[in-house]
Amino acid sequence: DIQMTQSPSSLSASVGDRVTITCRASQGSRNDFGWYQQKPGKAPERLIYGASSLGSGVPSRFSGGGSGTEFTLTISSLQPDDFATYYCLLHNTFGQGTKLEIK
Amino acid sequence: QVQLVQSGAEVKKPGASVKVSCKTSGYTFNAHFLHWVRQAPGQGLEWMGRINPDSGGTKYAQKFQGRVTMTSDSSISTAYMEVTTLTSDDTGVIYCARESPEDTTYDYWGQGTLVTVSS
Repeated sequence: DIQMTQSPSSLSASVGDRVTITCRASQGSRNDFGWYQQKPGKAPERLIYGASSLGSGVPSRFSGGGSGTEFTLTISSLQPDDFATYYCLLHNTFGQGTKLEIK
Repeated sequence: QVQLVQSGAEVKKPGASVKVSCKTSGYTFNAHFLHWVRQAPGQGLEWMGRINPDSGGTKYAQKFQGRVTMTSDSSISTAYMEVTTLTSDDTGVIYCARESPEDTTYDYWGQGTLVTVSS
């Protein structure tokens, strides 16, 4: 089974900041990788698929990168609506989540 | 548009079973795997398993083997998941999610079904 390590587990940042979240997988992937945003009481929403492709309707300030065993999600300029929890997903294995809070 | 609509909240006693439904619309039901994901209160996302609606073939996470059964009914574009022998550790929200046509991520999700196990 794939093991996923997501970091950081929590992050405090301000509106306008640039932030990056990382996931490391125990096995390499052909970039079959996704990132999700979840707000309290809501289902997750896909932001990124194929490691770097932007999901439908997702703002361009979100971007995905990486390959093999290390993947990143970057938010270029944080907006108030972005404060949420973020998860990565590879082959049915989720990362532990990153809670992004307002500083 | 693609929609996944799940059945309502359930309250069960320890040892009981629960069956959650996921009614889909807006796409060809048999063309996409459906996955089930659980989230315990305040915790992360956990994959439970998936079903291929075209063949009925299933794959379950090892943790849930023997306690979970996934089925589907193509005539009404609906998938089901039954969990037996419930304990308080099964309390949480269960989501169904469609596997994407682009890769193995999940592109559309149901709204979630809260399952509460309490004596």
